[in-house]
Amino acid sequence: DTGVSQNPRHKITKRGQNVTFRCDPISEHNRLYWYRQTLGQGPEFLTYFQNEAQLEKSRLLSDRFSAERPKGSFSTLEIQRTEQGDSAMYLCASSLEGRSRTDTQYFGPGTRLTVL
Amino acid sequence: EDQVTQSPEALRLQEGESSSLNCSYTVSGLRGLFWYRQDPGKGPEFLFTLYSAGEEKEKERLKATLTKKESFLHITAPKPEDSATYLCAVQGLSGGSYIPTFGRGTSLIVHP
Repeated sequence: DTGVSQNPRHKITKRGQNVTFRCDPISEHNRLYWYRQTLGQGPEFLTYFQNEAQLEKSRLLSDRFSAERPKGSFSTLEIQRTEQGDSAMYLCASSLEGRSRTDTQYFGPGTRLTVL
Repeated sequence: EDQVTQSPEALRLQEGESSSLNCSYTVSGLRGLFWYRQDPGKGPEFLFTLYSAGEEKEKERLKATLTKKESFLHITAPKPEDSATYLCAVQGLSGGSYIPTFGRGTSLIVHP
């Protein structure tokens, strides 16, 4: 078990560019979550997948944000036409359905996005 | 709508000075309450899951407790390496969703 991994760890981009982040969950986990975290705040939920199905996407911040999880393995989060307000830490978490009464999520190290 | 309020926002302790962090919550049926530790620039690290009032869990110098309205994270004889932000989150039962609601965290600094 190598934990949740995210790449890149840091991304600096210019306003208006598109960026894509990757998340590799813990291998046997079937749920995958994306969050955004800004300074001094707790993680803010964006979207989640169960296997390859995206079950909740209404909280994606705008139509510039999209996520995929092809084949139910790794996931990507894309932000199109980035804005300075998109600067934040983007966190990925994974969990395994059915092992407990609830859904304990394990987080990756995050991708720090800076939009200039 | 589920809500989580953590207090204090920041806490400074001397090494060995025990204290408690508070997490007050409102939720329409509690599926679970979580505590995480987050170091600067890193992702949250899972500490505990609590399911029902009266439950307690311990790990090294940390002990988490749960009532129907709040949870406490007790830190006994803290060390400088316990310095971090501690996050609380709840999962409610409404709508069958597993989406947690996080608090803003308590930033803990332990001075040697």
